[in-house]
Amino acid sequence: QVQLVESGGGLVQPGRSLRLSCAASGYSFRSHGMYWVRQAPGKGLEWVAFIRYDGSDQFYADSVKGRFTVSRDNSENTLFLQMNSLRVEDTAVYYCARDGYNFGCDWWGQGTLVTVSS
Amino acid sequence: SALTQPPSASGSPGQSVTISCTGASSDVGGHDYVSWYQQHPGKAPKLMIYEVNKRPPGVPDRFSGSKSGNTASLTVSGLQAEDEADYYCSSYAGGNHFKVFGGGTKLTVL
Repeated sequence: QVQLVESGGGLVQPGRSLRLSCAASGYSFRSHGMYWVRQAPGKGLEWVAFIRYDGSDQFYADSVKGRFTVSRDNSENTLFLQMNSLRVEDTAVYYCARDGYNFGCDWWGQGTLVTVSS
Repeated sequence: SALTQPPSASGSPGQSVTISCTGASSDVGGHDYVSWYQQHPGKAPKLMIYEVNKRPPGVPDRFSGSKSGNTASLTVSGLQAEDEADYYCSSYAGGNHFKVFGGGTKLTVL
């Protein structure tokens, strides 16, 4: 059974950093691209970042470009999101998701809440 | 830019409802990589449709997708109470924009 488990969320002050992790199990992690998608409280889904199966390419939403970095460790089956220079508007539940069907996210984690506030 | 969805839709049990998702030639109109997600309150999204009209295993055939030009659509036939949820469309957008979501549609089963 595919399982994605996010961790690392919490309360952080504006301008500070946070690193999210997503532990994958139940499938060949190294064979699939991975996404980070966020959802601000009461709002819709927003794509944040994508990394190819082998880590060779990364793509970012304009809202986080230059501040967030997505990476992966295929030997540890883990996806990361390094978030720097955090802003109040980055407050959201952050989901990791597997690219299972050509840009379709077929498995999602339960999400981890990041709150940016002074 | 985000794809455009109606904020709400509704139908009675057993009826059909269609949710639209309008984008541009750079996303919905230019690629057959439209997907649809169902999200119940407090839960993670669930993939319902991928590549415009394909269903993942386990998704009922009451859910179907289509596309015409820059607009994609999700149709839910034979509405059931458990279909009440938020629905989001998404499309591959190419280049640096890569993936874009719609604003979401709240489906109410009357």
